[in-house]
Amino acid sequence: AQRVTQPEKLLSVFKGAPVELKCNYSYSGSPELFWYVQYSRQRLQLLLRHISRESIKGFTADLNKGETSFHLKKPFAQEEDSAMYYCALSGSGYSTLTFGKGTMLLVSP
Amino acid sequence: DGGITQSPKYLFRKEGQNVTLSCEQNLNHDAMHWYRQDPGQGLRLIYYSQIVNDFQKGDIAEGYSVSREKKESFPLTVTSAQKNPTAFYLCASSTRTRGGNEQFFGPGTRLTVL
Repeated sequence: AQRVTQPEKLLSVFKGAPVELKCNYSYSGSPELFWYVQYSRQRLQLLLRHISRESIKGFTADLNKGETSFHLKKPFAQEEDSAMYYCALSGSGYSTLTFGKGTMLLVSP
Repeated sequence: DGGITQSPKYLFRKEGQNVTLSCEQNLNHDAMHWYRQDPGQGLRLIYYSQIVNDFQKGDIAEGYSVSREKKESFPLTVTSAQKNPTAFYLCASSTRTRGGNEQFFGPGTRLTVL
């Protein structure tokens, strides 16, 4: 069975501090990993996906198959980054997603 | 916004009643999904459909039913058999691209059982 674990329910940092939201997964094949974000009063939206190897809004995430991790990082947090972040996994070729329980990121001025 | 819509935004139900949540998309996506979002639980998959006239149970399908008669529509019925229906319900549609699977989410429906 596939599983996604986000160990932190809440991560609170000051503006300008580095951020790392942790995500570990369990999957027997080659997974596709995603980070979704939900800002206050907005719908859930894709932030980035490992297959694209892109940086969005200063965030990056590297898939580490050895450690089965896909941590989300940003070197300097901004107040507008405050949101709920979900890590999600899809099996290759499948359209369903398995989500973690989410991490609330609060960035204080 | 647009692309994928859900209605109503808020829904109140008495115990013992069935209610149907609407989900419509104009993105021409083959696949559609229903999730339930509870505080501290993340999103849990209720049902999904990869093509018209076909759907599959997700992780928490008990007490729910769906239909997929049209590509654009994937309504979810919350039946009286669902023991704890008060939650935020999210619908999504998806397509497979070179960037992988990406799901597009609706704004959600908040269901409260009175």
